[in-house]
Amino acid sequence: KAGVTQTPRYLIKTRGQQVTLSCSPISGHRSVSWYQQTPGQGLQFLFEYFSETQRNKGNFPGRFSGRQFSNSRSEMNVSTLELGDSALYLCASSVGDKPYEQYFGPGTRLTVT
Amino acid sequence: AQTVTQSQPEMSVQEAETVTLSCTYDTSESDYYLFWYKQPPSRQMILVIRQEAYKQQNATENRFSVNFQKAAKSFSLKISDSQLGDAAMYFCAYRMNTGNQFYFGTGTSLTVIP
Repeated sequence: KAGVTQTPRYLIKTRGQQVTLSCSPISGHRSVSWYQQTPGQGLQFLFEYFSETQRNKGNFPGRFSGRQFSNSRSEMNVSTLELGDSALYLCASSVGDKPYEQYFGPGTRLTVT
Repeated sequence: AQTVTQSQPEMSVQEAETVTLSCTYDTSESDYYLFWYKQPPSRQMILVIRQEAYKQQNATENRFSVNFQKAAKSFSLKISDSQLGDAAMYFCAYRMNTGNQFYFGTGTSLTVIP
């Protein structure tokens, strides 16, 4: 079974621009979660989607948004990028209603200049 | 609010020796799950071990075992017979029984010395 894939792997953007990151979960997984990872802060939970609905949301500004498609693929969008948005963005998928663990993708390294 | 604390930003261990990574958490829930994840330098996060709070027996996966102290809200990871491939960032994580939000600690960077 293929693992979680994320595209692109690396991205460089300029302040004020917007960006869209993509995540394809493991086949059969209906839940997709997004995390922001920065040195010293660890992993910060952004949001979770399950069956195309946002089920949980972390404490991030409204510039961060996401969606999930009927095939469980998910996208995350950040508008009006700030320097502080530079981070590794990780996507994780899990089976469904009561998953026990999440399976992570390799991440997208976003650099904002 | 749930918080997960890893008080050791960096640890080192000699190859073949044993090392213990610490993790404490704060929750008012009685039913939850705890995890240790490993993130090697290539960045792919891998599940190491999982513990259900309702189970008194400590989880074990080959060379990896946990010491789960529910009353103390402590969840440490012991790595026996350390290998060079164990070098990575280790994250402790918590999830309630309901919902699917994971809370992660800030990680412990483990160096294995040959």
